[in-house]
Amino acid sequence: EAGVTQSPTHLIKTRGQQATLRCSPISGHTSVYWYQQALGLGLQFLLWYDEGEERNRGNFPPRFSGRQFPNYSSELNVNALELEDSALYLCASSFYGGGNQPQHFGDGTRLSIL
Amino acid sequence: DAKTTQPTSMDCAEGRAANLPCNHSTISGNEYVYWYRQIHSQGPQYIIHGLKNNETNEMASLIITEDRKSSTLILPHATLRDTAVYYCIVRGNSGGGADGLTFGKGTHLIIQP
Repeated sequence: EAGVTQSPTHLIKTRGQQATLRCSPISGHTSVYWYQQALGLGLQFLLWYDEGEERNRGNFPPRFSGRQFPNYSSELNVNALELEDSALYLCASSFYGGGNQPQHFGDGTRLSIL
Repeated sequence: DAKTTQPTSMDCAEGRAANLPCNHSTISGNEYVYWYRQIHSQGPQYIIHGLKNNETNEMASLIITEDRKSSTLILPHATLRDTAVYYCIVRGNSGGGADGLTFGKGTHLIIQP
C-alpha cells in the first residue's frame, strides 16, 4: 500500500511569491491534514480537509489556504511568502473520524524562502 | 486536548528494551494516547495508540496505567534505527470528527551500540 506522497520534495521561492504544495493521501483516506515544522518551533497544525471541505484550521494567517479535490488529494497554497515561512510542510491523511483514527504522514516539502 | 510531559532525552543500549514514559495527568475519559516518532528530516511515523487497555503491535507495546494519567511506550529490542524523537500525544474524540495533533518537544531516544 502506497503511503502519503508529497511534491515537490524541495521548493525555493523569494519573498512575496506564492508557493503551491501537493499531497496525495493513502488510498481510502478522506481526511487530509497540513502541518508546518519550522526550525525551533516544532510541528504545528495548519489545516484539516475532509470530503472537499475545510473542517478546521490552526493559528495561521489567511494567506495559508488550500483545497481538497474530488480524489481526496490536496493542495496547500501560501501567498505573499515571508522569510519565516521557511519550514518543512507535512501532510497527513486518515480515515474520517475522531480520535481513534491515526494520521499517517508523508515526508514533507521543504520550502526555503530567499 | 490534554497536555503531556516527557523526558527531554534518554539512552538505551542496542538489543535492550527501551521504555519511554509519558505523563498526561489531565487526560479525560474520551481521549486517546498516541505515540509517533520522527527520524531526522522525515515525516512523523505512527507507532501505536490506545484508550484504556494495553496495546501491542509489530513495532511496540503501549502500557497505560489504570488511572490513565501516565503511559509507557516499550520498544522490545531496540536497534540503532530506533534512534529518533518520540512524541506522546493525547487526542480527543470530539463528536463530529478529528482535528490536528498537538506535538510537544518529545523525547530524543538515542540507541547506543
